[in-house]
Amino acid sequence: TQLLEQSPQFLSIQEGENLTVYCNSSSVFSSLQWYRQEPGEGPVLLVTVVTGGEVKKLKRLTFQFGDARKDSSLHITAAQPGDTGLYLCAGNKIIFGKGTRLHILP
Amino acid sequence: NAGVTQTPKFQVLKTGQSMTLQCAQDMNHEYMSWYRQDPGMGLRLIHYSVGAGITDQGEVPNGYNVSRSTTEDFPLRLLSAAPSQTSVYFCASSLTGNYGYTFGSGTRLTVV
Repeated sequence: TQLLEQSPQFLSIQEGENLTVYCNSSSVFSSLQWYRQEPGEGPVLLVTVVTGGEVKKLKRLTFQFGDARKDSSLHITAAQPGDTGLYLCAGNKIIFGKGTRLHILP
Repeated sequence: NAGVTQTPKFQVLKTGQSMTLQCAQDMNHEYMSWYRQDPGMGLRLIHYSVGAGITDQGEVPNGYNVSRSTTEDFPLRLLSAAPSQTSVYFCASSLTGNYGYTFGSGTRLTVV
């Protein structure tokens, strides 16, 4: 069974700080996605990474896929209250991690 | 574009009742999936489909049935509702599965 482990489970930081959350597995993934979910809504796709070592940027969010395609990270620069939410990683089409719940304090 | 439409948004059932959660997409996506989301458990896959007429079980399929007679629709049936099925249910669709899913807004189900 392929598993995706996300860390940390919870993170609360002050506005303006930087942070990194992680998504790790012992399995190789052909692609990996990151989603953000807000309360009462479905997850919304942020990015897909497919190549080992790939780095993608979405404004203040930087996503990296590990060289071996077993792990990924999401780095947020100068976090804003609007970044608050549940961040989920997903791989191989249908497998989701349990998520990192991020809270940015104004 | 409607995207992925789930109905109803809220439902309360009594133990033993049956019901169907509806899911429709208008993006001509081949892949469709049903997930349940419980506190601390993340999204768990119930059933999925890679095209009309093709379905398969996910991680937690017991107590649920699906069928895929058309590309657009992927209903989820609860055969005999149990309190353990109280959850938020999400339907999602994708063109190929590899490049991410579009999710519906969810159905919050309570079984009493």
